[in-house]
Amino acid sequence: DQQVKQNSPSLSVQEGRISILNCDYTNSMFDYFLWYKKYPAEGPTFLISISSIKDKNEDGRFTVFLNKSAKHLSLHIVPSQPGDSAVYFCAAFQGAQKLVFGQGTRLTINP
Amino acid sequence: NAGVTQTPKFRVLKTGQSMTLLCAQDMNHEYMYWYRQDPGMGLRLIHYSVGEGTTAKGEVPDGYNVSRLKKQNFLLGLESAAPSQTSVYFCASSGGGELFFGEGSRLTVL
Repeated sequence: DQQVKQNSPSLSVQEGRISILNCDYTNSMFDYFLWYKKYPAEGPTFLISISSIKDKNEDGRFTVFLNKSAKHLSLHIVPSQPGDSAVYFCAAFQGAQKLVFGQGTRLTINP
Repeated sequence: NAGVTQTPKFRVLKTGQSMTLLCAQDMNHEYMYWYRQDPGMGLRLIHYSVGEGTTAKGEVPDGYNVSRLKKQNFLLGLESAAPSQTSVYFCASSGGGELFFGEGSRLTVL
C-alpha cells in the first residue's frame, strides 16, 4: 500500500527550462512534506519542505506547491541546471517521526 | 564533521548467514532510522528508533532486528540472510525535522 506515489519514473528536461516533479499521497493525516535529492552512490539529501498549513514554499530555484484538496504536491526547479540531474524523492511524515517515501523520479537535464 | 556513518559500505553474504550493519551519528539526534532502497520501490522504512533503548517497526520489518543501546548508534541485524534482502541500506538520523542520511551499505545475498 503505497501512501506516497510518484507516478513518473523519469523526466527529461532541457537545461534552462522548468522541471516539474509530481507527487500524490493518500493519507489525509500527513501534515509535513519533504523533497530529497539523491545522486548515485550517495545518500539522499534534504532539498525543501512544506507544512500542510501552507500551499507554497520557495528556496532559490526550488519551489514546492501543495494542493491539499487534491492530495498532490509538486516540485518546480527553474531554471534547470545539469547538476540537478538526480533522483528526486517525495516524502511525508506519518505520525511524529515516521517518514514515508515515494518511489522516486529520475530527472535528467539535457544540455 | 562526519554526520551519519555506515559500516560496512559493501558486503556479500551467502543465504543463511548473519550480519550486522552499524550506523553511527555524531549530531546528538534522538531519532534514527533504517531504510532499504530497491529499484522501483523507493525508500522503505525497516525499523526506527525515537530514543536510546527504543525501537519500532516500519513498513518492511520482517527478517531484520535492530538495537539502540547507545544514543549515537543504531544497529541493523540480519539473522538468516535471504536473496530478497539484497538491497542498498540507508541509515538516517533526525533531531526532529528533516532526516540526514548516511552514504549507504550495499548488501548482496547469494
